[in-house]
Amino acid sequence: DTEVTQTPKHLVMGMTNKKSLKCEQHMGHRAMYWYKQKAKKPPELMFVYSYEKLSINESVPSRFSPECPNSSLLNLHLHALQPEDSALYLCASSLLGTSMHEQYFGPGTRLTVT
Amino acid sequence: ELKVEQNPLFLSMQEGKNYTIYCNYSTTSDRLYWYRQDPGKSLESLFVLLSNGAVKQEGRLMASLDTKARLSTLHITAAVHDLSATYFCAALDRMEASGSRLTFGEGTQLTVNP
Repeated sequence: DTEVTQTPKHLVMGMTNKKSLKCEQHMGHRAMYWYKQKAKKPPELMFVYSYEKLSINESVPSRFSPECPNSSLLNLHLHALQPEDSALYLCASSLLGTSMHEQYFGPGTRLTVT
Repeated sequence: ELKVEQNPLFLSMQEGKNYTIYCNYSTTSDRLYWYRQDPGKSLESLFVLLSNGAVKQEGRLMASLDTKARLSTLHITAAVHDLSATYFCAALDRMEASGSRLTFGEGTQLTVNP
């Protein structure tokens, strides 16, 4: 299995809802990432997990709550979001301990906050 | 702070023509990555450049890296419509045991016209 999968593909939620995004990989990668991408802009790093521990939080608002239950799974819990949080949310993973540091991206979840 | 600049940001070219996209970065970086993104889709890894003088080719695309000039180029040969997409370069900002932090350029939106 050489891919990163994300569910759902699309999500529409109100500002009072609670929802979660899910990311999964079975490539044995021990680093996993969440990015936010607005239209026609580059991805912005949100969080990095390394060996299931949060290693980087790019000062993301607390209405975004990441979770890494095991080495293959990464979640992003969403609560009380704002319309400006509407974006494409990308998950990525990479193999630690190599020289490549190449990140593999999932297909993304298109989030619309109404 | 590592900064990455791409140019041009928009490129409209005719089928069959050649062109080059440039990616400059501001401080030393050990790795340079090129990604392709189709509208509404995720990022597809094209090239990983690991060292000075590295050159990689895949089909009509060729990427090179000059670490002394802090410059990478993506050369397109005899463009075809299927190459229409947004191309991002990304430099490795930090290489840590906990994962890699990438800094992305703004992206080059390429349109290949018949």
